[in-house]
Amino acid sequence: EAGVAQSPRYKIIEKRQSVAFWCNPISGHATLYWYQQILGQGPKLLIQFQNNGVVDDSQLPKDRFSAERLKGVDSTLKIQPAKLEDSAVYLCASSPREGSGTEAFFGQGTRLTVV
Amino acid sequence: GQNIDQPTEMTATEGAIVQINCTYQTSGFNGLFWYQQHAGEAPTFLSYNVLDGLEEKGRFSSFLSRSKGYSYLLLKELQMKDSASYLCAPMDSNYQLIWGAGTKLIIKP
Repeated sequence: EAGVAQSPRYKIIEKRQSVAFWCNPISGHATLYWYQQILGQGPKLLIQFQNNGVVDDSQLPKDRFSAERLKGVDSTLKIQPAKLEDSAVYLCASSPREGSGTEAFFGQGTRLTVV
Repeated sequence: GQNIDQPTEMTATEGAIVQINCTYQTSGFNGLFWYQQHAGEAPTFLSYNVLDGLEEKGRFSSFLSRSKGYSYLLLKELQMKDSASYLCAPMDSNYQLIWGAGTKLIIKP
C-alpha cells in the first residue's frame, strides 16, 4: 500500500514570497490533516478535511495560509506571503475516517526555510 | 485548557528498559496515541489506548489511567535504533489529537 506522498521535500524561499505544498493521501482515506511542526515541538494542526469539507481550521492563519482539497483526494497548502516564523516542517497525514482509535499516517513532510 | 506534559529528554543504555511518562488534560477523551519520530522523519504510529491498563506489543508497551490523566510508554531491550522522539497525543471530545512536544530519547552503548 502506498503511503502519504508529499512534495516538495525541501523548499527555501525569501520572506514575502509565496509557496505551495502538495499532498496525496493514502487511497480511500477520507480524513486529511495538515500540520506545522517547528523544531523541538510537537505537530500543530493547521487544518483538517473530511472528504472535501473543512472540519477544523481554527489554528490556520487565514490572512496568509490557505488550503484546499478538491474532489476529496489531493490537497494543497499555500502560504502567501511567507514570514520568517513560517520556517518549519509541514506534515500531511491521512486516516481512513474520523473517530476514536483511527491512527493517522504521515507523509515525509516538506521542510520550509524562509530567509 | 488542554495540556500535555512529557519530559523533554531522557537517556538510557542499550539493552536496558526505559519508561516515558505523559500526563494530560483534555476536553473530553477518546483514547491516547503514542508516536515515534526519528530526526528528520515523519511520526509513525506505535500504540493506542482507550481503556485503562497495559497494552503490550513486542518490545513496546503502553499504559493508561484515565482517572489520573496519565499514560506511559515502556520500551524494553533498548536498541540504538530506538533513539528518537516519542510523542504522546490524547484525542479530545472532537476527535482532535492534542500533541505534546515529545520526549527525545538518547540511547548510549
